[in-house]
Amino acid sequence: AQSVSQHNHHVILSEAASLELGCNYSYGGTVNLFWYVQYPGQHLQLLLKYFSGDPLVKGIKGFEAEFIKSKFSFNLRKPSVQWSDTAEYFCAVIVYSSASKIIFGSGTRLSIRP
Amino acid sequence: DVKVTQSSRYLVKRTGEKVFLECVQDMDHENMFWYRQDPGLGLRLIYFSYDVKMKEKGDIPEGYSVSREKKERFSLILESASTNQTSMYLCASSNPGTGGRTEAFFGQGTRLTVV
Repeated sequence: AQSVSQHNHHVILSEAASLELGCNYSYGGTVNLFWYVQYPGQHLQLLLKYFSGDPLVKGIKGFEAEFIKSKFSFNLRKPSVQWSDTAEYFCAVIVYSSASKIIFGSGTRLSIRP
Repeated sequence: DVKVTQSSRYLVKRTGEKVFLECVQDMDHENMFWYRQDPGLGLRLIYFSYDVKMKEKGDIPEGYSVSREKKERFSLILESASTNQTSMYLCASSNPGTGGRTEAFFGQGTRLTVV
């Protein structure tokens, strides 16, 4: 079965630090990749997505992610975090063959010290 | 803007009760999903529906059923609520896209407590 792994469960950073959150998926075929964010008390919203083309994708609020097919990875990055980035971040995948089913990772809680 | 609306933000129910969680979307999406979100486990798919009256089991369907009589509405039913079903429940909708090139839109969630 397809799965998504997020190895960092809780990350604590100071403001202005650089961020990288890991995401690996287990599927050898074509995948569509996503990062969602959930700010405290708010609904999940899309941060960025990758379907094809340039493996470096840019999203909202200065986030970017790089798709490395050989490593089955889609890591999320931000050069300089802000206190307002405190949230939970979820990596997700839609496998081409299943078309609709979205599989999520276990999430990474990001805490930013002001 | 796509809107996915869940009928309740907070619910408290007793063990053994039959519980209905309602979700409505206003963008004519074909797909609808129910997830439960638990700390450290992320979002786990309970059921999804790709058309009216069509449904498929997700990863954790035991103890749940669903109903989709109209395209815009997707209901999650806990047949006999138990304390281990205390959780945050998230509804989502999407269109199929070509080859899965789509994105899901989420409701605010319903925090269900079973006592």
